[in-house]
Amino acid sequence: DTEVTQTPKHLVMGMTNKKSLKCEQHMGHRAMYWYKQKAKKPPELMFVYSYEKLSINESVPSRFSPECPNSSLLNLHLHALQPEDSALYLCASSQVTGGYEQYFGPGTRLTVT
Amino acid sequence: GESVGLHLPTLSVQEGDNSIINCAYSNSASDYFIWYKQESGKGPQFIIDIRSNMDKRQGQRVTVLLNKTVKHLSLQIAATQPGDSAVYFCAENKGDYKLSFGAGTTVTVRA
Repeated sequence: DTEVTQTPKHLVMGMTNKKSLKCEQHMGHRAMYWYKQKAKKPPELMFVYSYEKLSINESVPSRFSPECPNSSLLNLHLHALQPEDSALYLCASSQVTGGYEQYFGPGTRLTVT
Repeated sequence: GESVGLHLPTLSVQEGDNSIINCAYSNSASDYFIWYKQESGKGPQFIIDIRSNMDKRQGQRVTVLLNKTVKHLSLQIAATQPGDSAVYFCAENKGDYKLSFGAGTTVTVRA
């Protein structure tokens, strides 16, 4: 199984809402990532978890709060977002050792109104 | 800053022809490079990778070439098919799990 799943596929939320994005993988990968992708742009790294611990935060605003409950799950909690946060949010995973190949999920298309 | 970039934002190819997508990088310390394909509405899909101690690597219908002298990376797709229409990103490993993506090349296959 080389699949990374993400839910929901689409999300529309107001600026005062609280919502969460979910990501799951069953490849035994111990590194998991959140990326943000704007239209016609490459993915931009937001967070990296290694062995369920946050190892990289790319200076992401605190209205985005990641969580890694276990080695298979990764969440991104959203609160008080701005319209400019509308984007495709991608989750990825990779082995910690060996290759650097990252497997991506299909993404959640987020619209902030 | 040092980054990975692509030479052309778009590429139009006749079905059945070979495609060549180019990428230039500036970080000579990068030791690993990846090509991803992203179809509309989907996440990036791994195509092929190459380490800096290699010049060439082949996969199914794809070949990646690495020229460290001029810091150039290319992806060749043989006998391009309609299903190859997508955005192609090169990415370099910058250490500590970080991938730096190039701007992307949109490939359109003409029937």
